[in-house]
Amino acid sequence: SQKIEQNSEALNIQEGKTATLTCNYTNYSPAYLQWYRQDPGRGPVFLLLIRENEKEKRKERLKVTFDTTLKQSLFHITASQPADSATYLCALPTGANNLFFGTGTRLTVIP
Amino acid sequence: NAGVTQTPKFRILKIGQSMTLQCTQDMNHNYMYWYRQDPGMGLKLIYYSVGAGITDKGEVPNGYNVSRSTTEDFPLRLELAAPSQTSVYFCASSKLAGLSDEQFFGPGTRLTVL
Repeated sequence: SQKIEQNSEALNIQEGKTATLTCNYTNYSPAYLQWYRQDPGRGPVFLLLIRENEKEKRKERLKVTFDTTLKQSLFHITASQPADSATYLCALPTGANNLFFGTGTRLTVIP
Repeated sequence: NAGVTQTPKFRILKIGQSMTLQCTQDMNHNYMYWYRQDPGMGLKLIYYSVGAGITDKGEVPNGYNVSRSTTEDFPLRLELAAPSQTSVYFCASSKLAGLSDEQFFGPGTRLTVL
């Protein structure tokens, strides 16, 4: 069955550093991969989508890479700020209409 | 635009009771989804709809029912509530199919079944 593993349940980093979150998947060859942010008590919010033919995508301080050989996506937040503290979810399409979500990595940026 | 709205925000049910979770979107999106999120688990798809009058099962549909009579509304019905249905429920919508388009999520309904 399809499986998504996000590198760790929690990640703490110092303000100003680059946070790197990992999403590994197995038994699947997705055409796209999405990243979402979820704050406590709220619904997920879409951040970025990267396609299999795109090696890298950027949006402001965010950068996503997609390595279909390693079956891995890396999500980077540069110059991290305490306001970046949240849970970050990766999601892969399964079938025609569904997204399969990972369990997420809880990021804490320490001032 | 209000986006995706859900009611109620919180609800406590007794075992065997029924209830309907409401979801409305004002973005004229064709696709709508219901997920549940348990602690330490990823979002699990319960049901989805690709347009008014069309619904289909997701990964965990047992114990739930849906209907889609309008583009805007996609209620989720729980019949005979069980403790295993204690969870946070999220409704989402997208303009295109989830594959290539972002999903917009509502704020969630926290349900406890005792």
